[in-house]
Amino acid sequence: NAGVTQTPKFQVLKTGQSMTLQCAQDMNHNSMYWYRQDPGMGLRLIYYSASEGTTDKGEVPNGYNVSRLNKREFSLRLESAAPSQTSVYFCASSGTSGSLAQFFGPGTRLTVL
Amino acid sequence: GQQLNQSPQSMFIQEGEDVSMNCTSSSIFNTWLWYKQEPGEGPVLLIALYKAGELTSNGRLTAQFGITRKDSFLNISASIPSDVGIYFCAGRNYGGSQGNLIFGKGTKLSVKP
Repeated sequence: NAGVTQTPKFQVLKTGQSMTLQCAQDMNHNSMYWYRQDPGMGLRLIYYSASEGTTDKGEVPNGYNVSRLNKREFSLRLESAAPSQTSVYFCASSGTSGSLAQFFGPGTRLTVL
Repeated sequence: GQQLNQSPQSMFIQEGEDVSMNCTSSSIFNTWLWYKQEPGEGPVLLIALYKAGELTSNGRLTAQFGITRKDSFLNISASIPSDVGIYFCAGRNYGGSQGNLIFGKGTKLSVKP
């Protein structure tokens, strides 16, 4: 099992460009999450999907959109990147609503110039 | 949004020493999780706690779910150089969105051989 995989690993964008971060899990988990991690800020939830077909906003959703493509895949889209979106992005998944332990991918390091 | 207070922010210790760190919340939590993150990687789950008073070990690591339900502790015994990393606590409070975790800002551990 690969667990949670993310692509790309690194990305540099210019202000105003768009891109999609991809995430997939092979653990048959129901729930998936997108976080951003900034120095001194810990992990902040952007969006989550409690189950296939549903998505909800987290703490910092502005400037992002998500798609739960199927049970395995959950993508994060930046429509018009801004320098404030320079961060490390982590995708995570968890098994059921009763098991809150989340398992994380390796991250995507995004720089917006 | 709600925050967890995690302390200390950083620790510099000698190999072989024991380590203790903790997290506190202003509200009651029903789940506490401890993660370790190494440079360039995603957080890795170390220990999950689901019951007040619960004490759980994972090798040299021991974590406890505080009786008040507002705190949790992580201890590392006989530290070794590979313990270096950032340790995060995470939890969910009663009434929180299902599956959503709140993360502390991390304790950065450095071990001198």
